[in-house]
Amino acid sequence: GAVVSQHPSWVICKSGTSVKIECRSLDFQATTMFWYRQFPKQSLMLMATSNEGSKATYEQGVEKDKFLINHASLTLSTLTVTSAHPEDSSFYICSAPGTSGGYNEQFFGPGTRLTVL
Amino acid sequence: AQSVTQPDIHITVSEGASLELRCNYSYGATPYLFWYVQSPGQGLQLLLKYFSGDTLVQGIKGFEAEFKRSQSSFNLRKPSVHWSDAAEYFCAVGARSGNQFYFGTGTSLTVIP
Repeated sequence: GAVVSQHPSWVICKSGTSVKIECRSLDFQATTMFWYRQFPKQSLMLMATSNEGSKATYEQGVEKDKFLINHASLTLSTLTVTSAHPEDSSFYICSAPGTSGGYNEQFFGPGTRLTVL
Repeated sequence: AQSVTQPDIHITVSEGASLELRCNYSYGATPYLFWYVQSPGQGLQLLLKYFSGDTLVQGIKGFEAEFKRSQSSFNLRKPSVHWSDAAEYFCAVGARSGNQFYFGTGTSLTVIP
């Protein structure tokens, strides 16, 4: 089946530093990937759509200079949290659209927990 | 506008009791429908999905869900809840193109012995 991985699974960093999170589609290609953010006890909130070969599309209210997205290849999208602050601490999940049994669906990565000290 | 509503923020059931988690959606066309479970600190696990055909779908861990077009609902059920089912449950709808996906706000399930 379609598998999406994320790396790292968790990261702790100091305030002011930048952190890069990778999202890979392991056995399929994805021209589009999606990045979500989840606060404790809340649902997933779509942050941005990553597009291979073009700029990412950000949801309203998401700072594009804070959350840099690069879709480097058909199997890799990266999210860089720049100058991270404690309020950026969250669970970040990526997904990629693929097919299963002939139907389109999203395949989710296992998530990355970011803690900013 | 597309939306997914899970009316119950939190549900508590006794172990062995039956469970029904509600999900209603608003979507322009017939969407694909999904239920996910998330344990604390973990990622999403797909429980079941509906694309077409039989409106009663079976999933993993003994869960099932029924798509009711007339009610725009996709409620999740389990006949006998186990303590390990305690988690957060998310209903989601997806566009047939695969590029749009909407989550409900989630229902937190507590199971008491």
